Amino acid sequence: DAMVIQNPRYQVTQFGKPVTLSCSQTLNHNVMYWYQQKSSQAPKLLFHYYDKDFNNEADTPDNFQSRRPNTSFCFLDIRSPGLGDAAMYLCATVETGGSNQPQHFGDGTRLSIL
Amino acid sequence: KQEVTQIPAALSVPEGENLVLNCSFTDSAIYNLQWFRQDPGKGLTSLLLIQSSQREQTSGRLNASLDKSSGRSTLYIAASQPGDSATYLCAVRTDSWGKFQFGAGTQVVVTP
Repeated sequence: DAMVIQNPRYQVTQFGKPVTLSCSQTLNHNVMYWYQQKSSQAPKLLFHYYDKDFNNEADTPDNFQSRRPNTSFCFLDIRSPGLGDAAMYLCATVETGGSNQPQHFGDGTRLSIL
Repeated sequence: KQEVTQIPAALSVPEGENLVLNCSFTDSAIYNLQWFRQDPGKGLTSLLLIQSSQREQTSGRLNASLDKSSGRSTLYIAASQPGDSATYLCAVRTDSWGKFQFGAGTQVVVTP
């Protein structure tokens, strides 16, 4: 059973047209992450939520925003997508109580920009 | 700043050969290290997690070792199969809240 679910799997949008990607989890983990991954590169952390506390990385573009309305759901909003934003977007969760907890990933959303 | 490196970026082996994948990190102050598998166009699947106090973890044909003092982890896959073809990534947890730093991965092809 999928524990971290991302929708949609594939998203095509036009240059400059806002887009929202969604992620849900059934694990009840306290931390949720959004990563951007481009071809043959390491996943790059965009944001994370520690419970309801939002944290963005210093180099995350202002064009990217996120919402976590409750424990189970997290959204990534790209306000004005550019061609450079075409990538795989990965959502992940972890329970931070203890150092033996693994990250769990969804299947990702592949974003294409026309 | 923690940096994670995986060399080589790609390798090809014949079926049945043992695979040895390397992961290096620059700061030994880690909480744990996790190995993942990524199939094309998919998310990451967790393979093994080694806590900072552990030296190795095993699961079936997979064995991962950790040497914090030298900043290295190695993933061994015994008797490789074509189904093992994928990209393998390592990630180190660097903070108490759960920040992870990833390597770029090693792309593996196992030929029949």
